Amino acid sequence: GENVEQHPSTLSVQEGDSAVIKCTYSDSASNYFPWYKQELGKGPQLIIDIRSNVGEKKDQRIAVTLNKTAKHFSLHITETQPEDSAVYFCAASENYGQNFVFGPGTRLSVLP
Amino acid sequence: GAVVSQHPSRVICKSGTSVKIECRSLDFQATTMFWYRQFPKQSLMLMATSNEGSKATYEQGVEKDKFLINHASLTLSTLTVTSAHPEDSSFYICSANKRGSLQETQYFGPGTRLLVL
Repeated sequence: GENVEQHPSTLSVQEGDSAVIKCTYSDSASNYFPWYKQELGKGPQLIIDIRSNVGEKKDQRIAVTLNKTAKHFSLHITETQPEDSAVYFCAASENYGQNFVFGPGTRLSVLP
Repeated sequence: GAVVSQHPSRVICKSGTSVKIECRSLDFQATTMFWYRQFPKQSLMLMATSNEGSKATYEQGVEKDKFLINHASLTLSTLTVTSAHPEDSSFYICSANKRGSLQETQYFGPGTRLLVL
């Protein structure tokens, strides 16, 4: 089955700097890769996603890149703000909105 | 929008009792709903997948007789933890796919924190 790894497990950046979180997946059949932000005590919120027919997607300060050959995808947050502090989870699916396999998460701290 | 609600947000119960958690899609019909469990500082682990009007599909290691799932309508799924024990204490989160959207993502609820004493 699918296995998703995520690095780093924790990340601290200064406000205004960029943050990059990387995930690797094992199943070459995976075709959908969402990223979720989870604040303490809350459910995950979708922040950006990418499908396997696209190499990059951007939404304001957030971008995701996908390398299908190497089977990895990354989340890029630019101009970080303290409110970006949260746990970020990547996921992979071979059937779009079904069968998500989540990575272990990255705790991002943005220091003012 | 795609809003998913859960009720209750938190519950404390005694060991041996049963607890029901509701998951509702507020502004869309959900073909499929998913139930996850999340232990502190860990990732989300899928427990089961349910489609409206049919039996839920449970992941390996999840006891179907202990975690009863009912997906009675296109907007409501319930998870009942039967004979709860302290080790069942966790954060339970549901999610849903939009009906009619073959390539749609999962929309998550706010979660329910269960504490079994």
